[in-house]
Amino acid sequence: QSALTQPASVSGSPGQSITISCTGTSSDVGGYNYVSWYQQHPGKAPKLMIYDVSNRPSGVSNRFSGSKSGNTASLTISGLQAEDEADYYCSSYTSSSTLLYVFGTGTKVTVL
Amino acid sequence: EVQLVESGGGLVKPGGSLRLSCAASGFTFSSYSMNWVRQAPGKGLEWVSSISSSSSYIYYADSVKGRFTISRDNAKNSLYLQMNSLRAEDTAVYYCASSLELWLNYWGQGTLVTVSS
Repeated sequence: QSALTQPASVSGSPGQSITISCTGTSSDVGGYNYVSWYQQHPGKAPKLMIYDVSNRPSGVSNRFSGSKSGNTASLTISGLQAEDEADYYCSSYTSSSTLLYVFGTGTKVTVL
Repeated sequence: EVQLVESGGGLVKPGGSLRLSCAASGFTFSSYSMNWVRQAPGKGLEWVSSISSSSSYIYYADSVKGRFTISRDNAKNSLYLQMNSLRAEDTAVYYCASSLELWLNYWGQGTLVTVSS
């Protein structure tokens, strides 16, 4: 079972929108609506940003949104702000016999 | 306020053992599944193990199966990870994280495990 595929880096200017993709298979992303997204600032613990593909936990800005089409999930950050600069990881439940969760490879978001 | 505080990390020689602990507060620990996720230096996140709220269901990644044992004590609001036969590739920050359904909603700050001679 390989990690989900994410672009290594995405960048944007303040106020712009960016989208991070997360590609898996029918055994994980494509087969279940259990995709979640995590934000991690350097030296800090990950923070849940999106769960069940498109739901935001209480306290997470509505500038963050999630979606899914087929085997690819996406995280969109609108109105990009300096504080959004961080690493982002997707994750999915998987029906693999060897894993419960599979994470993405991670994407570094840079605010120009 | 929800808090998850890991402890027990440190430097250990290859083949050695360590026991990690995670103390939980601020939520109903016994209602949540709990998980260990690790992150090697400069690398991404890797799921390690999960345990259901009543310890009925336990899962391990292939990379640690047979060497690591997850357990919990709901009376003490604590999660544990017994790590045996440690290898250099187990070097990582180990995070404990709670889950009510299939996402990890709260995370601790992590504890560093270094396996080196």
